[in-house]
Formats: sequence, structure tokens, C-alpha cells
Amino acid sequence: IAGITQAPTSQILAAGRRMTLRCTQDMRHNAMYWYRQDLGLGLRLIHYSNTAGTTGKGEVPDGYSVSRANTDDFPLTLASAVPSQTSVYFCASSDGIGTDTQYFGPGTRLTVL
Amino acid sequence: GQNIDQPTEMTATEGAIVQINCTYQTSGFNGLFWYQQHAGEAPTFLSYNVLDGLEEKGRFSSFLSRSKGYSYLLLKELQMKDSASYLCAAMDSNYQLIWGAGTKLIIKP
Repeated sequence: IAGITQAPTSQILAAGRRMTLRCTQDMRHNAMYWYRQDLGLGLRLIHYSNTAGTTGKGEVPDGYSVSRANTDDFPLTLASAVPSQTSVYFCASSDGIGTDTQYFGPGTRLTVL
Repeated sequence: GQNIDQPTEMTATEGAIVQINCTYQTSGFNGLFWYQQHAGEAPTFLSYNVLDGLEEKGRFSSFLSRSKGYSYLLLKELQMKDSASYLCAAMDSNYQLIWGAGTKLIIKP
């Protein structure tokens, strides 16, 4: 593994189902982030974690939850998916908080029907 | 509120120069980032400016004016592979990135 990996690459999900998007980084970065990207809109921060064991809410956290049990993994869970959660989801990481560059995973394309 | 504005789409010719502008309004300011995103791929880091002025990095340069809330990305000697979306993002006082919707750059031969 080099960098950030995300799984699955894409998924079609029925509304009401529970779904966990996985994100793993091998750079030993302290901070991790989840964004969603929708056509015509900028990336929007869902949740973030400044260090293992801590998480925080971003701009659009409703309907999503995260956990950060260790440095490498930062899963994003949709408890009960709705069609408005159809989007491309990117996980990112940075060495520290503040102005450190964020590095992005390849993304998960999620469709909720 | 916080806001980033950049043009939706631009077209330029291979070998030419193009300037992509970005204006920002944020609660506090801790720098301005530019990322490149090819279709269907992840954003990749291009540049970071926190002080006024021009930062040059090969064919790409980025400029910042903090007093005007303005930045631009300058791409020289355009190549077909530069066809991509260019994302402007400003870091606010909480060190969170506020992203523009991106500028899709189309390069024609």
C-alpha cells in the first residue's frame, strides 16, 4: 500500500440500508478527513479527525458517523442511506492539522436508490 | 458567510498561457491552496500561498493578494495533459479548507 486507499470503488445501495466506506492510509499521518463532492459544488467536509481517538464534525455531518480507533483507519458510516447521499466520497489525510497539505484517496462513487 | 468563487469553465490552446482566477471570503485566513483534479480521479496538490506575491513552480505559478481576497493560478506552455479541473481552496481560522466548485480547463490542439 502506498498513500491512501478507499473501498469500495463504487457502490449502488438501496435507501434505508447501512453502509460503511473504508479508508486506510500508510503515511502515519495524524489528521484524516472525509469529503463529499457533488457536481457544481466544491468539496464539502463531512467529518475529520485530528489524531487517533478524536473526531469532529465538518460542514455537512448529518446522516454520517466516523470513528478513529487507530492512526491508519478512518471509516465513514451511513446509518440509513438516503438518495441525497448519492455522491463521490473522498478520504484525505495530512501530517498535521493546520496548513499541512492534504492528500486524497481515489474516492468512492456511491449511488443511493 | 464563507465563499469561494472561480470560473466554471475555461478553454485554452496547447502551448499557450492561461490564468485561472479565484476570489475568497473566509472567517479568518490561513492560506490558499490550488489542487488539480483529472476527471474521475482524486485531487492532487499544486500549490500553497500564505504571503502576498507570486510562487513559481515549473510551468505553474500561483499568486496571492490577501488585501483583495484574490488568487490566481497561471499555467504556461499548456499541454493536453493539463486538461483537468483546478480547485481553489482557502483555509479559514479553524484550519478547515473552504473549496470552490472548480474550474474545468479544456485544452484544444
